[in-house]
Amino acid sequence: DSGVTQTPKHLITATGQRVTLRCSPRSGDLSVYWYQQSLDQGLQFLIQYYNGEERAKGNILERFSAQQFPDLHSELNLSSLELGDSALYFCASSWAAYNEQFFGPGTRLTVL
Amino acid sequence: QKEVEQDPGPLSVPEGAIVSLNCTYSNSAFQYFMWYRQYSRKGPELLMYTYSSGNKEDGRFTAQVDKSSKYISLFIRDSQPSDSATYLCAMSGGAGGTSYGKLTFGQGTILTVHP
Repeated sequence: DSGVTQTPKHLITATGQRVTLRCSPRSGDLSVYWYQQSLDQGLQFLIQYYNGEERAKGNILERFSAQQFPDLHSELNLSSLELGDSALYFCASSWAAYNEQFFGPGTRLTVL
Repeated sequence: QKEVEQDPGPLSVPEGAIVSLNCTYSNSAFQYFMWYRQYSRKGPELLMYTYSSGNKEDGRFTAQVDKSSKYISLFIRDSQPSDSATYLCAMSGGAGGTSYGKLTFGQGTILTVHP
C-alpha cells in the first residue's frame, strides 16, 4: 500500500457525461500528479500540482481539468466524455517535485 | 520517435534466472531514473530510484544508469514467480523548466517467471 488513495475504483458512464476522480496523497506529500494509462498510449502524464498550484501540464485535453485543494487532496474532472477516454487514471504523490512518486491504485473509467 | 524506448517483450524466464530489463532514451535533460513494477490492474510500485549515472543495489534488484549512452538497466537476481509483472522505466528532468516533476515512461516489459 503506497498510502495514496483514489476513489472511485471503477466508473462506468456514457459518452457526453462528466465525472470527477478524487485523490488523497500520502501524508506529508505536497505534490500530486495525474496520469492516464491506456493500452495504446501507455502511461501518460496529464498534470501536476504542488501545494495547491499548477506546476506542469502534459498533453491534457481541454475537456479535462484538475485542482488541488487546501487539504492537498486533488480532483480530476473529465467532461464531454468520449469512448477514447476509457482508461486507467492514476494519481501519484511526492514530497517535492523531483522526489520519488508513489502511485495510487487507480480509477478504471469505462465510457460506453 | 518516442523519448523513452523499452522492449515490450514478453520475457519468459525460469525461476532463479537473472533478468535484464533495459530502456534507452533520447532526452539528455533526464536526470532522475526510476523503475516501477505493475501487477495487472494495479498501480505502479516504485522499485528503484536513481540520480544521474551509476549503479544502485537493493536486495535482488540492481539499477544501472549510463547517461553517456542514454541507457538504463534493471537486473533481477534469483527471479521468483512473484516477480511476474510489467516493469516500467520512467525518467524526469527534475526541478525547473516546464516539465518539472513530470515522469516520462517506457511502454513496459511484461515478465513471466515460471517455476
